[in-house]
Amino acid sequence: DVKVTQSSRYLVKRTGEKVFLECVQDMDHENMFWYRQDPGLGLRLIYFSYDVKMKEKGDIPEGYSVSREKKERFSLILESASTNQTSMYLCASSSPGQGAYGDSPLHFGNGTRLTVT
Amino acid sequence: AQSVTQLDSQVPVFEEAPVELRCNYSSSVSVYLFWYVQYPNQGLQLLLKYLSGSTLVESINGFEAEFNKSQTSFHLRKPSVHISDTAEYFCAVSPWGAQKLVFGQGTRLTINP
Repeated sequence: DVKVTQSSRYLVKRTGEKVFLECVQDMDHENMFWYRQDPGLGLRLIYFSYDVKMKEKGDIPEGYSVSREKKERFSLILESASTNQTSMYLCASSSPGQGAYGDSPLHFGNGTRLTVT
Repeated sequence: AQSVTQLDSQVPVFEEAPVELRCNYSSSVSVYLFWYVQYPNQGLQLLLKYLSGSTLVESINGFEAEFNKSQTSFHLRKPSVHISDTAEYFCAVSPWGAQKLVFGQGTRLTINP
C-alpha cells in the first residue's frame, strides 16, 4: 500500500512566522500535490510537482511556495503565515497513470491542521 | 477549465435506507471522474472511478456511480447504508492529459440508527 506521511497532525503558529509542512511518500511516485481543505469549499490545489525540482502553481498559490529536492519529499512553505491560512493541508501523490495522463488516482496523507494565531 | 458541483452539503439518512449523493461537472474537454471518501480524522481515499467503458462503476463496499455524459453528472448511490458509511464524500474530475484533480465542495453523509 502507498503511504503518504505528513510530518505533523496539528500545528499552531503565530502570524508572520515562516512555516514548513513536510510530506513524504514511499511509492516512488512522480507526482505530488498540496491541497488545502476548508468547510464548504472542498479541496483547492495550491501547488503540484511532476518531478524533482519541478513545480507548478495550482489554483491558490498566493502566500505559499514549495520545494522538491528529492523525489519522495514535497514541502509546502508559508513564507509569512497569516490567519487566513488557518486550514487543513493535505498532501497527495500519484503515478503518471496506466493510460492517458490523468487517470491515476491520488493517494493522500492524513492531513496537517494548521492554526495561525 | 473544469468545475464540480455537489448539490448537497449534508445528507442525513437512516441506517439501511438508500442514498444518492449528487455530482455535476462542467468541462470543455473530456474528463475522468472520481469519488473519494474521507472518514473522520483521516485523509481522502479513492472510492471509485470512471475512466472509460461501462458508464456504471462499482466500489468494493456497495457504492456505485453512473456517468451520464448528456447531463454531465456522476451521482453516487448505495441501496442500503451502514453506520460505517458516515463520512464526507468528494466528487472530482481530471481532464484527459493532465494529472490535476478538481474537487467538489464535499457532501457530509450522516447515518442515523
